[in-house]
Amino acid sequence: EDKVVQSPLSLVVHEGDTVTLNCSYEVTNFRSLLWYKQEKKAPTFLFMLTSSGIEKKSGRLSSILDKKELSSILNITATQTGDSAIYLCAGGYNNNDMRFGAGTRLTVKP
Amino acid sequence: EAGVAQSPRYKIIEKRQSVAFWCNPISGHATLYWYQQILGQGPKLLIQFQNNGVVDDSQLPKDRFSAERLKGVDSTLKIQPAKLEDSAVYLCASSFLTGYPRGEQFFGPGTRLTVL
Repeated sequence: EDKVVQSPLSLVVHEGDTVTLNCSYEVTNFRSLLWYKQEKKAPTFLFMLTSSGIEKKSGRLSSILDKKELSSILNITATQTGDSAIYLCAGGYNNNDMRFGAGTRLTVKP
Repeated sequence: EAGVAQSPRYKIIEKRQSVAFWCNPISGHATLYWYQQILGQGPKLLIQFQNNGVVDDSQLPKDRFSAERLKGVDSTLKIQPAKLEDSAVYLCASSFLTGYPRGEQFFGPGTRLTVL
């Protein structure tokens, strides 16, 4: 059965800390690995990683895909309180289908 | 650019009642998705439409859930009759591209359903 597992489930840090969120996937016909940030309700897109683009960076956020280990990490440097959210990882497969992990709840304290 | 619109934002019903959710995707987006997100879990795909055709409804509980996208634009998701375990946030998403490489999905604000 396809599954996506994220760790840790929750994380509390202080502003300025660097965090690493983990995602492992077992997805049939894997196409891509996506990261979303969920504040309140609607997830917002962060990164998409495929075999042709295994490392992405945007500001303080970066992500790497390890296709050999079937895993991905999301790094956030110099965290801010506005980074507090649930970070969702999803394995993309077949015709635009995605299987989401349960998410990592990140809390950044002042 | 207007985002994905959903209504209502909140709904409280009693078990065995019926409920319907509405979604209007971003203009020009051919693909529309309905997800169910139970508290503490990631979103789970219920159904995917491409234009007005169903691409994947393998995880839709068809004995009580139904969805349609008659004109290939907005969509409704219905639950009849509702059960306690249907309490969740129902998210609608849309994307421009289909197939591979997959397109980014844009999510609406969701509808929080509480079944008492």
